[in-house]
Amino acid sequence: EPEVTQTPSHQVTQMGQEVILRCVPISNHLYFYWYRQILGQKVEFLVSFYNNEISEKSEIFDDQFSVERPDGSNFTLKIRSTKLEDSAMYFCASSEAGILNNSPLHFGNGTRLTVT
Amino acid sequence: RKEVEQDPGPFNVPEGATVAFNCTYSNSASQSFFWYRQDCRKEPKLLMSVYSSGNEDGRFTAQLNRASQYISLLIRDSKLSDSATYLCVVMRVNSGYALNFGKGTSLLVTP
Repeated sequence: EPEVTQTPSHQVTQMGQEVILRCVPISNHLYFYWYRQILGQKVEFLVSFYNNEISEKSEIFDDQFSVERPDGSNFTLKIRSTKLEDSAMYFCASSEAGILNNSPLHFGNGTRLTVT
Repeated sequence: RKEVEQDPGPFNVPEGATVAFNCTYSNSASQSFFWYRQDCRKEPKLLMSVYSSGNEDGRFTAQLNRASQYISLLIRDSKLSDSATYLCVVMRVNSGYALNFGKGTSLLVTP
């Protein structure tokens, strides 16, 4: 079964550094998402991406965050200057069609980001 | 008021038991509803969509009450492998692309 893959599985970085989290969505999927989950907290929406542009973003997704689809397969999340509170599990997801069509989200295994 | 609220549990039940989880959502304009399952430190996985008429998938039954803004999940004949956190998920209003997750209800099925 095709799956969403994320790398690295664990990233440790110092406060103020830039990090790039990488994702390869399922190949025929058109909608891409980033979510995060702080330890012990709920899964939170960050951003959705369709047709090479951001379709929606949450209040968490401020100017420190950006997303990119640099080629036909990768989907990246960049955090420009990490803060301690950015420490979380970051999940990439993709779907074939939009949520309005009840198209399920397929999540990757996540990248655990630890900011020290 | 939180957008999606769930009883965090934990629910400890013996194998074979029937267990029910409840969820309430705050925005009456919400349109799509789901139950996801999350194992410890793993990604969420779709368990089932929730339809207005209620729907069943094997041992799992989901119900939606729009008037009360209430969603439920019933698990019959619990298995050890059902132990996980069950996430109530509601599509964000005015959004075609994003989901609001509840914090989840933890289930532990014991032998």
